[in-house]
Amino acid sequence: AQSVAQPEDQVNVAEGNPLTVKCTYSVSGNPYLFWYVQYPNRGLQFLLKYITGDNLVKGSYGFEAEFNKSQTSFHLKKPSALVSDSALYFCAVRDINNFNKFYFGSGTKLNVKP
Amino acid sequence: EPEVTQTPSHQVTQMGQEVILRCVPISNHLYFYWYRQILGQKVEFLVSFYNNEISEKSEIFDDQFSVERPDGSNFTLKIRSTKLEDSAMYFCASSENDFYEQYFGPGTRLTVT
Repeated sequence: AQSVAQPEDQVNVAEGNPLTVKCTYSVSGNPYLFWYVQYPNRGLQFLLKYITGDNLVKGSYGFEAEFNKSQTSFHLKKPSALVSDSALYFCAVRDINNFNKFYFGSGTKLNVKP
Repeated sequence: EPEVTQTPSHQVTQMGQEVILRCVPISNHLYFYWYRQILGQKVEFLVSFYNNEISEKSEIFDDQFSVERPDGSNFTLKIRSTKLEDSAMYFCASSENDFYEQYFGPGTRLTVT
């Protein structure tokens, strides 16, 4: 079965510092991995995805994620955090047997302090 | 930029009542989905819909749930007889095809009393 885990409920970082939001996955076969962000009272917004190819994926708002097959991880990163990055971040994996199904992690609340 | 929209933003209903949650997917998208998020829990897949039929559903999506695309723009989720445990945020999503990312609406908060 496909699943993702986000080990941190919350990440705190100072503005201007680099940030990392962790995600590990468990899949049978090649993973199709995604990151979404949820701002208060808004739906999930797509940030980036890894399907195949380069392990470093660049996405919206300056975010990037690194796919690491040996560690089964897909951590979200940004070199310099902004206060406006404060939100809830979800990692997701697509079911390889049925592309229609996404499995989401439990979410990580990112707090960026000025 | 095109968006998925959902109405209402908040629905309060009594146990046993029927509710219909409405979504307008992005216009050129062909695949439609419903997810739910119980407060403090994960976002859970409910159902996917393509070519006017359900293509996949989860174990949560029992006989109390149904989906419909009544016209060319709306996509609805009906819960026939609501239970307290149906209280959650319900998200609609759409995608251009089954390989691309899904775009989510802002959600409908359903409260069953």
